[in-house]
Amino acid sequence: EPEVTQTPSHQVTQMGQEVILRCVPISNHLYFYWYRQILGQKVEFLVSFYNNEISEKSEIFDDQFSVERPDGSNFTLKIRSTKLEDSAMYFCASSEEAGGRAFFGQGTRLTVV
Amino acid sequence: QKEVEQNSGPLSVPEGAIASLNCTYSDRGSQSFFWYRQYSGKSPELIMSIYSNGDKEDGRFTAQLNKASQYVSLLIRDSQPSDSATYLCAVNIGGLSGGYNKLIFGAGTRLAVHP
Repeated sequence: EPEVTQTPSHQVTQMGQEVILRCVPISNHLYFYWYRQILGQKVEFLVSFYNNEISEKSEIFDDQFSVERPDGSNFTLKIRSTKLEDSAMYFCASSEEAGGRAFFGQGTRLTVV
Repeated sequence: QKEVEQNSGPLSVPEGAIASLNCTYSDRGSQSFFWYRQYSGKSPELIMSIYSNGDKEDGRFTAQLNKASQYVSLLIRDSQPSDSATYLCAVNIGGLSGGYNKLIFGAGTRLAVHP
C-alpha cells in the first residue's frame, strides 16, 4: 500500500542551526502538507502546497519556514535559525485532490538543544 | 471561536460498548470532514471520511454529519481495548486563497476502553 515517507525519523540540532525535513508523498498525489505537533498539544497546520507553490499557510508559517519540491518526488520543509520552541513532531501529508483524504507520514521528531 | 472543537475527554467506555465522539466546526462552507486515530507517539491515521449529510458506515465505525448544525460525530461499536487512542476530528476550512485546502484538526478526544 502506498505511503508517505519521512526522513529522518529523529533530528537533533543546536539552537540557531538550520534543518531540512524531507518527505516523499504518495506518487499520484498532487497536494502536500506540513503539520507540527508539540508534545501533548494538538496537530497544527503549517502549510499546504500545490502546483509548485504554497496554497495556504498558517500564522505559524512565518519567514523562518520555507517549503520546496526540489524534484519530482521529494517535498521539504526548511526551518532556519531553530529555536527551543521549534522542538516538536513534524508530519508531512499528501492528498490526491483538494479537500480530499490526507495521508500522513510517520513524522520527524525535531529536538532543538 | 475555535475552528474545530472537540471534548478532550478522557472518554471511558467498557469493552463491547458504543463509544460516541463529537466535533463541531465554525466554517459553514466546509465540505469535507475526517476522523483520524492517533496512538501515543504515532502519526494520525485516517479512519473515516464524510462529505454529505447523514451517516456513513465502515465496519465498526459510523461517521455522522449535520452541516446545518456544523456537527460531526463518530460512533465506534463493540469497542475494544485496542481502540484506546486519541481521536482527531479534521475539517477542511476556507483559506485566504478562496479554496478549501486547509485541513484543521481539533485537539482530539482521548478514548479509553477498559476490559
